[in-house]
Amino acid sequence: GAGVSQSPSNKVTEKGKDVELRCDPISGHTALYWYRQSLGQGLEFLIYFQGNSAPDKSGLPSDRFSAERTGGSVSTLTIQRTQQEDSAVYLCASSPIPLGRQFFGPGTRLTVL
Amino acid sequence: AQSVSQHNHHVILSEAASLELGCNYSYGGTVNLFWYVQYPGQHLQLLLKYFSGDPLVKGIKGFEAEFIKSKFSFNLRKPSVQWSDTAEYFCAVRDQTGANNLFFGTGTRLTVIP
Repeated sequence: GAGVSQSPSNKVTEKGKDVELRCDPISGHTALYWYRQSLGQGLEFLIYFQGNSAPDKSGLPSDRFSAERTGGSVSTLTIQRTQQEDSAVYLCASSPIPLGRQFFGPGTRLTVL
Repeated sequence: AQSVSQHNHHVILSEAASLELGCNYSYGGTVNLFWYVQYPGQHLQLLLKYFSGDPLVKGIKGFEAEFIKSKFSFNLRKPSVQWSDTAEYFCAVRDQTGANNLFFGTGTRLTVIP
């Protein structure tokens, strides 16, 4: 079956521009996570969606970051007015049960020039 | 594309037993290597990482991993596990060329029996 997919695989943008990153979780998975990994750093939690509950946004680094999940499936992570420090690999994961085992997508590599 | 293999899907050990979880990757160039852990009900956290230098890496909570370049391996070890080590363990590899993306293995579930 299909796994978690993310698009685009690579994104290069100019400082100050907005970007949208997309995640398609595994069908039927109720939980969805966004993480990022900056160069030389470990994985950093950003946001967690579970069903229709209010998302856990505790990991979002600033108000330039936002995410939504439409219809309990596809999720979009939006970064407004990108900065060079936003350059990282952004990973999405989904899980069939709340805080259960996670299945990761391939990631989107974001480069802000 | 890089692939990461974790051959042990579920490992069950008694407390005080020694642990070794396998991780192999396919890319032969320069890589960064990571082990992450997800405890029940929690998010992922970094256990340890290897970028360069001493191939034997010490991490948190008594874990260590050894990078063996000739075997494309980065196995995770702990001499004596505890019940609190029950978790899901993920190996991850980032290659230093091309897209520089991070590739995760499928994970190994460790259950430690008191």
